[in-house]
Amino acid sequence: TQLLEQSPQFLSIQEGENLTVYCNSSSVFSSLQWYRQEPGEGPVLLVTVVTGGEVKKLKRLTFQFGDARKDSSLHITAAQPGDTGLYLCAGAPPWEYGNKLVFGAGTILRVKS
Amino acid sequence: GAVVSQHPSWVICKSGTSVKIECRSLDFQATTMFWYRQFPKQSLMLMATSNEGSKATYEQGVEKDKFLINHASLTLSTLTVTSAHPEDSSFYICSARGKRDYEQYFGPGTRLTVT
Repeated sequence: TQLLEQSPQFLSIQEGENLTVYCNSSSVFSSLQWYRQEPGEGPVLLVTVVTGGEVKKLKRLTFQFGDARKDSSLHITAAQPGDTGLYLCAGAPPWEYGNKLVFGAGTILRVKS
Repeated sequence: GAVVSQHPSWVICKSGTSVKIECRSLDFQATTMFWYRQFPKQSLMLMATSNEGSKATYEQGVEKDKFLINHASLTLSTLTVTSAHPEDSSFYICSARGKRDYEQYFGPGTRLTVT
């Protein structure tokens, strides 16, 4: 059982469309991070959300942390081909010693021009 | 800031040989680094936590004697895949813990192919 359920697993959309990726858990997390990874490269940190209900914006990307700190979402407005990649959510469980991160299964996004 | 490098970026080795992968934090000190393995189109799987000056902590199911980790300094951790087999072929990624405990910065990864 995945501690962080990420959905959808795969998304193929046309340029200009909007999309939302979800990251859900039954457990409370101290924080959640979103990463983007391109083929053959390491993940790049996009944002960290810490406070319940927090909303952060990064250009056309909007990140939200649930009030109960059990879920998060990533919304992309007017997607572009350059947004194509693997999106990963990751959480820092408060019960884990050593600052380990728990990763969702990932969402493969393909934006067609 | 927070740049992590890995070397080599790719390596091909013969079955039975050992391969060392380096992970360096270039502009910050990292007391904790992590080693992950990733299969195509899948998420990251944590292999071990590397702590400077102490033994690494391995995740369940990861063979300590096969994946040797050494964190000799605050900017360098190494992963040695010993007696490599084709099933060890994978994308290996390291990360370093940033100033805030819950943030990790990832290296570009190393593609290992064992023939």
